[in-house]
Amino acid sequence: DAGVIQSPRHEVTEMGQEVTLRCKPISGHNSLFWYRQTMMRGLELLIYFNNNVPIDDSGMPEDRFSAKMPNASFSTLKIQPSEPRDSAVYFCASSLSRRQGLPNEKLFFGSGTQLSVL
Amino acid sequence: AQSVTQLDSHVSVSEGTPVLLRCNYSSSYSPSLFWYVQHPNKGLQLLLKYTSAATLVKGINGFEAEFKKSETSFHLTKPSAHMSDAAEYFCVVSEDQAGTALIFGKGTTLSVSS
Repeated sequence: DAGVIQSPRHEVTEMGQEVTLRCKPISGHNSLFWYRQTMMRGLELLIYFNNNVPIDDSGMPEDRFSAKMPNASFSTLKIQPSEPRDSAVYFCASSLSRRQGLPNEKLFFGSGTQLSVL
Repeated sequence: AQSVTQLDSHVSVSEGTPVLLRCNYSSSYSPSLFWYVQHPNKGLQLLLKYTSAATLVKGINGFEAEFKKSETSFHLTKPSAHMSDAAEYFCVVSEDQAGTALIFGKGTTLSVSS
């Protein structure tokens, strides 16, 4: 298996522009997570999906952030408009949860997208 | 290239006994190293991090880890396990000091019995 695949690896954009981050989870996994990493706060859970349904989006910082999972093999995290304080590394992770909405299995992480908003 | 290996996929201990979760890394220069914990129904929580300061790092909930460059290890320990410590633990290495790219170990499941 190729693992969790994220794209792009690096993104540099200007303030006010729309940014879309993409994630392909491991085939067969039914839970998908978006995390944001900063050195100050470590990893912060933004949102997670189970069977393509958003279960907990309480970590999404503002309305400028939105996430979708149109099918089991693809998810996007969108920031519109982007701001310099959004600069961070964004990780996608997937897992296989045996019970609805309960991420009780090991997480597999992608390589992350390093976002720089100028 | 950086890499991290968690030597045990599953560790079982009794309540009140010591915990040792092993982690080895490879790095071409001084890495930043982290331990994260994931409890059921929750996201990842940072336990502790090493960023080239003191080699013995103390974290939350009584956990600590020692950076040993000669052994390329960053093992996580706790003197006395609690039932609430049962969770998944991830050792993570950063490709640079800014922590802009993280490489995760495959995780170790810690079980604690009464």
